[in-house]
Amino acid sequence: QVQLVQSGAEVKKPGASVKVSCKASGYTFASHSLHWVRQAPGQGLEWMGIIYPSTGGTAYAQGLQGRVTMTRDASTSTVYMEVNSLRYEDTAIYYCARESQGGTSYFDKWGPGTLVTVSS
Amino acid sequence: SSVLTQPPSVSVAPGKTARITCGGNDIGSKSVHWYQQRPGQAPVLVVYDDSDRPSGIPERFSGSNSGNTATLTISRVEAGDEADYYCQVWDGSSDHFYVFGPGTKVTVL
Repeated sequence: QVQLVQSGAEVKKPGASVKVSCKASGYTFASHSLHWVRQAPGQGLEWMGIIYPSTGGTAYAQGLQGRVTMTRDASTSTVYMEVNSLRYEDTAIYYCARESQGGTSYFDKWGPGTLVTVSS
Repeated sequence: SSVLTQPPSVSVAPGKTARITCGGNDIGSKSVHWYQQRPGQAPVLVVYDDSDRPSGIPERFSGSNSGNTATLTISRVEAGDEADYYCQVWDGSSDHFYVFGPGTKVTVL
């Protein structure tokens, strides 16, 4: 079955960087784009960006450009999301989510989430 | 660019029908998707492309979309339906290509 397994919780200081991983299994890795969506405590969902596993191409939400980098390792079917220059407001649960095939624009499978806490 | 609106909360008695709206300018021209998020869990897709259901989602969940409003309808509401519900569209002209509504908390009385 389709699974997205994410790395564990992180605690970082302001100004530091964090890198979260998401390992996909149960389907052809190159066939679906993968996204990162975050959720601050008690808040709604915010789309952060997309990576195309077949090419490594990416696109990011405008407000996060320059601080977020998404990469992939096709040999292990894993995508990574790194946030630099962390701020207190980056404290959130970070989800990876698979987009259904064919540019359908919806997320048919989500990872369990990774809590990132920014604290001094 | 798309700005989506949802009521912050909806309360419904067990066995009754809950309707959750998602407002947006000409949203009827877009495909709207809906997610359920139970406390402490990741979101789950419950309706896609306005009115289609993924396998495993009960028929009690249905959707419609026209004009400036999309609606998620939950029939014969059960206690397990208590959750936050988010609508979502794709908008290439937005700062965030994939846009979520602010969410609606459904409370089962």
